[in-house]
Amino acid sequence: GNSVTQMEGPVTLSEEAFLTINCTYTATGYPSLFWYVQYPGEGLQLLLKATKADDKGSNKGFEATYRKETTSFHLEKGSVQVSDSAVYFCALSDRTGRRALTFGSGTRLQVQP
Amino acid sequence: DTAVSQTPKYLVTQMGNDKSIKCEQNLGHDTMYWYKQDSKKFLKIMFSYNNKELIINETVPNRFSPKSPDKAHLNLHINSLELGDSAVYFCASSQDAFAGANVLTFGAGSRLTVL
Repeated sequence: GNSVTQMEGPVTLSEEAFLTINCTYTATGYPSLFWYVQYPGEGLQLLLKATKADDKGSNKGFEATYRKETTSFHLEKGSVQVSDSAVYFCALSDRTGRRALTFGSGTRLQVQP
Repeated sequence: DTAVSQTPKYLVTQMGNDKSIKCEQNLGHDTMYWYKQDSKKFLKIMFSYNNKELIINETVPNRFSPKSPDKAHLNLHINSLELGDSAVYFCASSQDAFAGANVLTFGAGSRLTVL
């Protein structure tokens, strides 16, 4: 079956530091890949997505590249801000069979001033 | 103008009670979902409906029953509540589960606490 593995948190960084959150996946075929973000007390919001190998998704300074050879979709940001503090979820959607997102366990990011 | 709205936002109730959570989307989407988020933030799909037809029904106790009166609404009814049902329940929708990249839009969540 499909699965997504994320690095465990929390990840604590100082403002303006470089961020990487690792994500690897297992899926049949070629899934679409997503990063969602959940701010405290809120629902999940789509951050970025990629639908095929070598695609790069980007939004709000965050980037992730769909790497089919390593089955990875790592999230990066060059300079984090306090307002980026949230829980980040990697997810996949397969193109056949069940059509719901499969989520990773989430990684909490804490950015200190 | 909320895209996916859930009510209530908070629900505190006693074991054994029956409760419902309602969800409505105004995006014109064909597919709706219920996810459960546990205390460790893990998200698990429970149900999905596409145009009022059940397409995903995960291994969930039959005390949980979804109902979709039309494609803009997906309600979740829970009978005989247990302590382990305490969680945040998220409703979500997507344009069409069977077309392209399936981007979900989530509601703000309904926190259920069973005492």
